[in-house]
Amino acid sequence: QKEVEQNSGPLSVPEGAIASLNCTYSDRGSQSFFWYRQYSGKSPELIMFIYSNGDKEDGRFTAQLNKASQYVSLLIRDSQPSDSATYLCAANTGGFKTIFGAGTRLFVKA
Amino acid sequence: GAVVSQHPSWVICKSGTSVKIECRSLDFQATTMFWYRQFPKQSLMLMATSNEGSKATYEQGVEKDKFLINHASLTLSTLTVTSAHPEDSSFYICSARGPSGAYEQYFGPGTRLTVT
Repeated sequence: QKEVEQNSGPLSVPEGAIASLNCTYSDRGSQSFFWYRQYSGKSPELIMFIYSNGDKEDGRFTAQLNKASQYVSLLIRDSQPSDSATYLCAANTGGFKTIFGAGTRLFVKA
Repeated sequence: GAVVSQHPSWVICKSGTSVKIECRSLDFQATTMFWYRQFPKQSLMLMATSNEGSKATYEQGVEKDKFLINHASLTLSTLTVTSAHPEDSSFYICSARGPSGAYEQYFGPGTRLTVT
């Protein structure tokens, strides 16, 4: 069973801090990895994707990928209360199916 | 870019009736679209994968005769919930595979279905 695992949280950080969200995946054939943000009652929104080992930065967000450890993370710098949401990690093996994690709830305290 | 729309955003129907939900990619062509459902405080559940011009591939446990999917063009997929029952009440979300080749998905805003 191919899986993507995330800590359900909630992860609570103060405003202005760095939030670190982690994800592990079981299928070594996974090639592309995605982070989505989902506000309560809304659909997921793509934040960024990564497919090479290392870091990828986009504004306040940095995705990190370590294929040897089968580990993906998302760092959110200068966290804002508006970042409070559930963050979904997902992995694709290059085929039709993308496996989603159950999500980590992030709460940024003002 | 990569905008997906969904219509209607919410619908209330009586038990036994059918409801059609439309999913459109507005600024790109989507060969592959996906349909999910999500219950409150639960994770996304993939129902089916829809490929333009061919039959949808349903996930195990999803009744294909109850959830009819049609992907007649590169920008439109529809989900019809037939003979709806209260237990079908849920948040239905479509997504479309993006144009970059990295297999990212762009989600529609979702349709909240309530069956009375």
